[in-house]
Amino acid sequence: NAGVTQTPKFRVLKTGQSMTLLCAQDMNHEYMYWYRQDPGMGLRLIHYSVGEGTTAKGEVPDGYNVSRLKKQNFLLGLESAAPSQTSVYFCASRGGGANTGELFFGEGSRLTVL
Amino acid sequence: DQQVKQNSPSLSVQEGRISILNCDYTNSMFDYFLWYKKYPAEGPTFLISISSIKDKNEDGRFTVFLNKSAKHLSLHIVPSQPGDSAVYFCAASARQAGTALIFGKGTTLSVSS
Repeated sequence: NAGVTQTPKFRVLKTGQSMTLLCAQDMNHEYMYWYRQDPGMGLRLIHYSVGEGTTAKGEVPDGYNVSRLKKQNFLLGLESAAPSQTSVYFCASRGGGANTGELFFGEGSRLTVL
Repeated sequence: DQQVKQNSPSLSVQEGRISILNCDYTNSMFDYFLWYKKYPAEGPTFLISISSIKDKNEDGRFTVFLNKSAKHLSLHIVPSQPGDSAVYFCAASARQAGTALIFGKGTTLSVSS
């Protein structure tokens, strides 16, 4: 059971390039999230999804787009990468229901924008 | 404005002693609180949680205390072990409102042997 899998693990981009980070979960979870972690800033929520076909903005959504076409996948896109988007990106998922709060995280994707 | 605050970036403790990590929150709608542990180059992993209807939850060496009136929670680790050295994140959500988890900036715990 893989849990939450992120691809790629590492990527270097030039300013202005585009890319997509893929998150896949095999736990049949309803909710999926993208966070970024920066030194001294903790984990900040970029976008999230409460179910297939839905997306919502988090704390720092600018410069990113997301899609949840399939329940098990949550894609994070950067249309025109900027150096400020250099970060470690974490995907997470959790089951549905008001009493379930635990998030399961992937191992992270380290993105460098030159 | 930060809704979840961990005001101590780092904490150093000797093996066998108690580690106390603190967290404050500002949103009175938060009703579920969690602690996550993160090692370098790994994703965060769930450690312990507490609902707002409780003021204490214990799991082995880990205990979380919640003081709703002060909007404060703390994580106690007793006894501390070198393997506990990691970054600890406090997180909160308003489950009934369906909000996502909001994380603090983290506290780096170093346990020396």
